[in-house]
Amino acid sequence: GAGVSQSPSNKVTEKGKDVELRCDPISGHTALYWYRQSLGQGLEFLIYFQGNSAPDKSGLPSDRFSAERTGGSVSTLTIQRTQQEDSAVYLCASSLGGAGGYTFGSGTRLTVV
Amino acid sequence: DQQVKQNSPSLSVQEGRISILNCDYTNSMFDYFLWYKKYPAEGPTFLISISSIKDKNEDGRFTVFLNKSAKHLSLHIVPSQPGDSAVYFCAASSRGGSNTGKLIFGQGTTLQVKP
Repeated sequence: GAGVSQSPSNKVTEKGKDVELRCDPISGHTALYWYRQSLGQGLEFLIYFQGNSAPDKSGLPSDRFSAERTGGSVSTLTIQRTQQEDSAVYLCASSLGGAGGYTFGSGTRLTVV
Repeated sequence: DQQVKQNSPSLSVQEGRISILNCDYTNSMFDYFLWYKKYPAEGPTFLISISSIKDKNEDGRFTVFLNKSAKHLSLHIVPSQPGDSAVYFCAASSRGGSNTGKLIFGQGTTLQVKP
């Protein structure tokens, strides 16, 4: 597609439930990133996939968070046993590298009630 | 440990004047810096970047200045327009020899340009 697509755009879930967030990067982009933005905060790095290399998971806040990138394209971020502090906008970005920036999707707004 | 800091949460300027947004970083390994603009309910959009081998990069109304010794960069917008009103994020990366790498973002500065 023309841009980075994220689904769903909004998700309300009950505390303790699992959620899956999806990201379709720009075709051909080798790098894919997940960030989150909590209310009034900056963008917090979560995880980074680059080609076939092992992902950089250094930003995942707990073992309830995991992510996969299948076939070097679509990525899924899974949050198990959601907590209220997980409420945030989850943003995905992809990149081909070079002097340009990273292209972000519009995000998934997650609300845990 | 906040490696990239934007100490001004907000800035208000008059249309036509200069907007200056500031950013400080602590990690001397950062070698690539970017500015992003974000409107509500949208993802951040790339504005301008600068490599650590330069001290200035200009693109139309937007200029980024990098002072490596002070670990400081700034974004100048001249002239400012009401459509520039948004949240601006500074970001930094340690690319080394590669051309990708994770970005570390600042907290953002909300710019309001008054007509």
